[in-house]
Amino acid sequence: AQSVTQLDSHVSVSEGTPVLLRCNYSSSYSPSLFWYVQHPNKGLQLLLKYTSAATLVKGINGFEAEFKKSETSFHLTKPSAHMSDAAEYFCVVSDPWDDKIIFGKGTRLHILP
Amino acid sequence: EAGVAQSPRYKIIEKRQSVAFWCNPISGHATLYWYQQILGQGPKLLIQFQNNGVVDDSQLPKDRFSAERLKGVDSTLKIQPAKLEDSAVYLCASSSLAGRNIQYFGAGTRLSVL
Repeated sequence: AQSVTQLDSHVSVSEGTPVLLRCNYSSSYSPSLFWYVQHPNKGLQLLLKYTSAATLVKGINGFEAEFKKSETSFHLTKPSAHMSDAAEYFCVVSDPWDDKIIFGKGTRLHILP
Repeated sequence: EAGVAQSPRYKIIEKRQSVAFWCNPISGHATLYWYQQILGQGPKLLIQFQNNGVVDDSQLPKDRFSAERLKGVDSTLKIQPAKLEDSAVYLCASSSLAGRNIQYFGAGTRLSVL
């Protein structure tokens, strides 16, 4: 059975400093993994996806994530936080064979001025 | 390209009343999803359609929730009767068969049950 765990419910960083949002997954097969962002009162937007190609995935707005099979992790990073990055971030795992999709509980990112 | 359209954006009802939400997916997307997102939690899949057939409705509370996608395009999600615990944002998403698993989300309908 698939599952996804976002290790922090809240993360606070200062503007201009690096961002790290942690995600661990469990899957019986080679999963597809995604990060979505949700700004207040907005729909979910895809940041990036991993689907068994390059393990380092670059997404929009300067975000990237690295798939580490040995650690079953897919952490999201950004070198320098911007105020506009303040939002809720969801890690998502999908089994490519049955299309079942599981969302993590989310990490709220706060950017301090 | 137009995104996923949902209406209404907000709805306030009293418990035991009925409510319906509408979703129009991105043109050409065969797969449509309805999610429930309770405050402070990640979205939970309620039902997944491929064209007008149900792929997964294992987490849909079928005693009160129903959904249909009669012509394989737009979809309606209904709650009858509503309970206090149904207060949530209801999200609709769609994906194409070619770009499987990549879902595009609407802005959602925020439901408050009083």
